Amino acid sequence: QVHLVESGGGLVRPGGSLRLSCAVPGSSLVDYFMGWVRQAPGKGLEFVASISHSRGANKDYGDSVRGRFTVSKDTTENSLFLQMTSLRAEDTAIYYCVRIYGHSTGYCDSWGQGTLVTVSS
Amino acid sequence: SYVLTQPPSVSVAPGQTARLTCGGTKIGSKSVHWYQQKPGQVPVPVIHHDSGRPSGIPERFSGSTAADTATLTINRVEAGDEADYYCQVWDTADDLHSAVFGGGTRLSVL
Repeated sequence: QVHLVESGGGLVRPGGSLRLSCAVPGSSLVDYFMGWVRQAPGKGLEFVASISHSRGANKDYGDSVRGRFTVSKDTTENSLFLQMTSLRAEDTAIYYCVRIYGHSTGYCDSWGQGTLVTVSS
Repeated sequence: SYVLTQPPSVSVAPGQTARLTCGGTKIGSKSVHWYQQKPGQVPVPVIHHDSGRPSGIPERFSGSTAADTATLTINRVEAGDEADYYCQVWDTADDLHSAVFGGGTRLSVL
């Protein structure tokens, strides 16, 4: 396991944008898939996005965010990002950064503490 | 897209055995992972790859899969086991790489 730290959450108006960051130690950004999982208040866990290891050529998104959110990473900064645009009230959630152990099995072995995004006018 | 089905709630008395199920088409052919989430806390893996137990997780926790159902078994349930439990698989259909979570089961210890 590794210690992941998210930042960038906050209050944003509907239609606005926000960029989340996750500090990823060591070589995890190169060696592992990484992803974002969110949890709306009182609800369950929902997959948001994943990015492949190495150069991050493969990116995938949950149906509810595809076309609005973009996952990326910067290995020189040891950081994972989630750019969120056209935000809606239903995007309000805690966003967790996760490390995905096993590109064919998808085990989320490490979770950050989460960052809260609130979309409200 | 792939769907995982969990019962919303399970109740068990202390010292008894809790069996939490996770249904999915041919789930036995996938690797299933389980996470425990206590109120206000971050999800914690308790079972990975069907039956693996992460370091620090008691032996009371075990996992199994068969055909269309995966099961998380908690033996000798304690009050501290009360939490939400989520199953998860990795959907690689159509060259995708996305996590699929069940809706979660709230375990209540009577």
